[in-house]
Amino acid sequence: EAGVVQSPRYKIIEKKQPVAFWCNPISGHNTLYWYRQNLGQGPELLIRYENEEAVDDSQLPKDRFSAERLKGVDSTLKIQPAELGDSAVYLCASSLDGGVNTGELFFGEGSRLTVL
Amino acid sequence: QKEVEQDPGPLSVPEGAIVSLNCTYSNSAFQYFMWYRQYSRKGPELLMYTYSSGNKEDGRFTAQVDKSSKYISLFIRDSQPSDSATYLCASTRGSNYKLTFGKGTLLTVNP
Repeated sequence: EAGVVQSPRYKIIEKKQPVAFWCNPISGHNTLYWYRQNLGQGPELLIRYENEEAVDDSQLPKDRFSAERLKGVDSTLKIQPAELGDSAVYLCASSLDGGVNTGELFFGEGSRLTVL
Repeated sequence: QKEVEQDPGPLSVPEGAIVSLNCTYSNSAFQYFMWYRQYSRKGPELLMYTYSSGNKEDGRFTAQVDKSSKYISLFIRDSQPSDSATYLCASTRGSNYKLTFGKGTLLTVNP
């Protein structure tokens, strides 16, 4: 079974440039998450989707970040314009029904962003 | 104060040692407790999952939760070099609430 797929794995951009990350969750997983992991820190939730609905985006900096989940499957996270402080690993995760029974989120390998 | 606190280490032990990893949390509403393992340049993967207080054992790994002291522990017996990774504790109130992670503890097991 294929895991959570993310692209690109690495991205280097100049500040003020836009960047987009793509995520394909595990087939059948209705819950999708975007996390940001700064160096030496644990992941922090940016947004959670239940199917195509964003049910928790309270931690998403909406002035420059946007996200969408097309048809309740793939998702895209966009930053425009990027700032130096956005350098981090952006992790996508998916789960069945919010991980009710097992608490298990399945993470992708992440997209490592460097803003120069 | 962060809701989940974890000593980032790093922790270095010889192969075969017993490893103890610990976290504390502040939110009394947390009911579910997890340990995730993250290898370098990879995403986290679930290692252990515990509901409420008590112990849970899976092979060489034991997770322990003490809700009275808000303390979460992970014990690794007979540690192996392949256990070298960052270990993240995480807690949540439930499936409709966000999962809050600690900073992670970097563990190195030396052959």
